[in-house]
Amino acid sequence: GAVVSQHPSRVICKSGTSVKIECRSLDFQATTMFWYRQFPKQSLMLMATSNEGSKATYEQGVEKDKFLINHASLTLSTLTVTSAHPEDSSFYICSASSRGGEKLFFGSGTQLSVL
Amino acid sequence: GESVGLHLPTLSVQEGDNSIINCAYSNSASDYFIWYKQESGKGPQFIIDIRSNMDKRQGQRVTVLLNKTVKHLSLQIAATQPGDSAVYFCAENLSSTGGFKTIFGAGTRLFVKA
Repeated sequence: GAVVSQHPSRVICKSGTSVKIECRSLDFQATTMFWYRQFPKQSLMLMATSNEGSKATYEQGVEKDKFLINHASLTLSTLTVTSAHPEDSSFYICSASSRGGEKLFFGSGTQLSVL
Repeated sequence: GESVGLHLPTLSVQEGDNSIINCAYSNSASDYFIWYKQESGKGPQFIIDIRSNMDKRQGQRVTVLLNKTVKHLSLQIAATQPGDSAVYFCAENLSSTGGFKTIFGAGTRLFVKA
């Protein structure tokens, strides 16, 4: 089956620093990647959608200058949380779909803790 | 982002019993629905999907039912096992700029008692 690898699995950082999370599709070309955020005991909230080579489309209420998304190749997307603050602490999950596909394949998630 | 940010309801069942998890979706134009299972600290895993032109689909030990009239989905798990303990989410695909986006429902936590 399709495999999506996400790194790091856990990161702890100081307030004000930036954190980069990588999401790779290992055995298929991910034309579209999605980034979700999940707070404890809550559902997944879509943050943004990125198509390879295009600017990401952000959901309402998500700051594009704070959550920088790059999808420069068909196998890699990155999410950079800039100037992180404690309220950004959350579980971030990427997912990917192939060209014409409607099913998402998920990474294992990144637990971000901002001190 | 779009989602239902509610605290998760819980379903507790005895091992070997059948489980039924329900979900209401929001958009009558959605034509593709998916059930995902999420274990603690992990990403969601695909369980089963269904298109809007169907009202029932069966997999191994799982069945999804779709009622478009009332915008309702259910997931039935037969002979529930301890390994089925997890949070279950329904999701719907909505048309979006450049393709689609997948929106998750509130989720249900399933506890299986041995």
